[in-house]
Amino acid sequence: QKEVEQNSGPLSVPEGAIASLNCTYSDRGSQSFFWYRQYSGKSPELIMFIYSNGDKEDGRFTAQLNKASQYVSLLIRDSQPSDSATYLCAVNNRRSGGGADGLTFGKGTHLIIQP
Amino acid sequence: SAVISQKPSRDICQRGTSLTIQCQVDSQVTMMFWYRQQPGQSLTLIATANQGSEATYESGFVIDKFPISRPNLTFSTLTVSNMSPEDSSIYLCSVDAWGTNEQFFGPGTRLTVL
Repeated sequence: QKEVEQNSGPLSVPEGAIASLNCTYSDRGSQSFFWYRQYSGKSPELIMFIYSNGDKEDGRFTAQLNKASQYVSLLIRDSQPSDSATYLCAVNNRRSGGGADGLTFGKGTHLIIQP
Repeated sequence: SAVISQKPSRDICQRGTSLTIQCQVDSQVTMMFWYRQQPGQSLTLIATANQGSEATYESGFVIDKFPISRPNLTFSTLTVSNMSPEDSSIYLCSVDAWGTNEQFFGPGTRLTVL
């Protein structure tokens, strides 16, 4: 059974600080890793993806992947109140036969940015 | 990214009835997926809607309960059959537009079963 684990929070971070969100996964065969942001009452929005070990930066967001430790994280620099949301970590369900995979999601971390 | 719409956006249904949810994409996509998000929970994959073949269901989900159609590359339906209050959830379709596993979600259908 594939599992994706996240601390549910809430994680409270002052405005302007760095928010650090963490995720671990159980399937060593997972190849693709995603961070989604979900505002209350809305559907998930893809904000970052990472496939290779190391860091990937996109604006204020940095995704970090360590496949040996089965660990993926998301850093949000210069946190803004509008970043307050639930952040979902997801990994692909690797299948044989090709084609895109469905995703296994963690339960999400509720992030609160305090003005 | 693709523009995805779902109908209905919400519905309240009686126990024992069925509801069909539609998902429409503004461009052709290879893969479409259906997820469920129960209250206060994360997303759970129900099935992959394959164009031209039967859907592929995840463990715990069966075709009799959640029949899926995928008549073309821009459209899919999910039916929730013989509903019970435990089926109350948000149902979301997603698409993988580029075959990269990067999935984009529709706005969701909020279902309440009384």
